[in-house]
Amino acid sequence: EVQLVESGGGLVQPGGSLRLSCAASAFTFSSYEMNWVRQAPGKGLEWASYISSSGSTKYYADSVEGRFTISRDNAKNSLYLQMKSLRAEDTAVYYCARDLKVGGTPWGQGTMVTVSS
Amino acid sequence: QSALTQPASVSGSPGQSITISCTGTSSDVGGYNYVSWYQQHPGKAPKLMIYEVTNRPSGVPDRFSGSKSGNTASLTISGLQAEDEADYYCSSYTSSSTPLYVFGTGTKVTVL
Repeated sequence: EVQLVESGGGLVQPGGSLRLSCAASAFTFSSYEMNWVRQAPGKGLEWASYISSSGSTKYYADSVEGRFTISRDNAKNSLYLQMKSLRAEDTAVYYCARDLKVGGTPWGQGTMVTVSS
Repeated sequence: QSALTQPASVSGSPGQSITISCTGTSSDVGGYNYVSWYQQHPGKAPKLMIYEVTNRPSGVPDRFSGSKSGNTASLTISGLQAEDEADYYCSSYTSSSTPLYVFGTGTKVTVL
């Protein structure tokens, strides 16, 4: 069964850093584009970042550009999101999703990031 | 690039049909057949209901159907059931690298 499991969330102070991970299983991870999508409490979904299957191409939403870095390790079937200079508005559940062009199914359960002092 | 526009809420009685619209621009919904629809129950992850405008993933009831006309995509739920009460989001690939994907504002479906 195809599965994505996010981890690494938690409580962090404004200006702090956090690294999220997404462990993939039961599919050829290295063949898929991957994305991070986030959802602030009570709000809608927001695309945050994209990485190509090889890792050579990366895109970011304006809201995270320069502060977040997406990466992947195809040998470990893992996706990462390094987040720096965190702000209160980065508080959200973060989901990893593969190939959003075709819906990215299935999505993981997400990992909660709370930025607060 | 702004979020795709959806009605805030739609309601219907069991057995009825409802339609949720998703309006974008020629740079997203109107320009590509990469429109998806997601169902989200409270506290749960989004579940894919429709991809590539009209396709249903395995396991999704055929009561759910998708379509597109110009810059507006639509999700229709026929034979509304109690378990369909949830939030629904559309999404589209865009012509820009940022954002690469755009989501809708979300629609709360209430089964009366």
